[in-house]
Amino acid sequence: NAGVTQTPKFRVLKTGQSMTLLCAQDMNHEYMYWYRQDPGMGLRLIHYSVGEGTTAKGEVPDGYNVSRLKKQNFLLGLESAAPSQTSVYFCASSYGQSNSPLHFGNGTRLTVT
Amino acid sequence: ILNVEQSPQSLHVQEGDSTNFTCSFPSSNFYALHWYRWETAKSPEALFVMTLNGDEKKKGRISATLNTKEGYSYLYIKGSQPEDSATYLCAFRGGTASKLTFGTGTRLQVTL
Repeated sequence: NAGVTQTPKFRVLKTGQSMTLLCAQDMNHEYMYWYRQDPGMGLRLIHYSVGEGTTAKGEVPDGYNVSRLKKQNFLLGLESAAPSQTSVYFCASSYGQSNSPLHFGNGTRLTVT
Repeated sequence: ILNVEQSPQSLHVQEGDSTNFTCSFPSSNFYALHWYRWETAKSPEALFVMTLNGDEKKKGRISATLNTKEGYSYLYIKGSQPEDSATYLCAFRGGTASKLTFGTGTRLQVTL
């Protein structure tokens, strides 16, 4: 049982380049989330999805887009990367918003130069 | 933006010591409070999800209490071991919101 899988694990981009981070879960979870982790800031929610075909903005959505075309996948896109987007990105999923804990992926370390 | 605060920021204890940390959150519109354990180079793992005022949860040597009226939760570790070294995160869900707001964590280091 893989749980939540994020790809890639590491990536270096130049300013202005684009990329997509993939999150896949095999637990049939309805809810999926993208967070970024920066020193001293805690995990901050970028975007989330409450089901296939739905997405919503979190705390820090600017500069990112997401899509949830399939229930098991949640994609995070950076259209034009900026150095401020250098961070560690975590995907998470849960059954729903009630008492369900989040299950996290192992993170993607992104550096934008 | 919801304010979820954790204290202390970091803690250094000796093996065998018992310790506790605090998570403060808005006392209005409470829905759930989560605790996660985050070891270095790994991803956060859920410890507890608490929803009722006065709730107490326990997993081995780790336990947590919840006071939704005053907006705080305590996490206790009894007889700390080196393998307890990690960052402990709390996260607050308010009302019917789907979002979970995390605190910045308490970093615990347990030495022999």
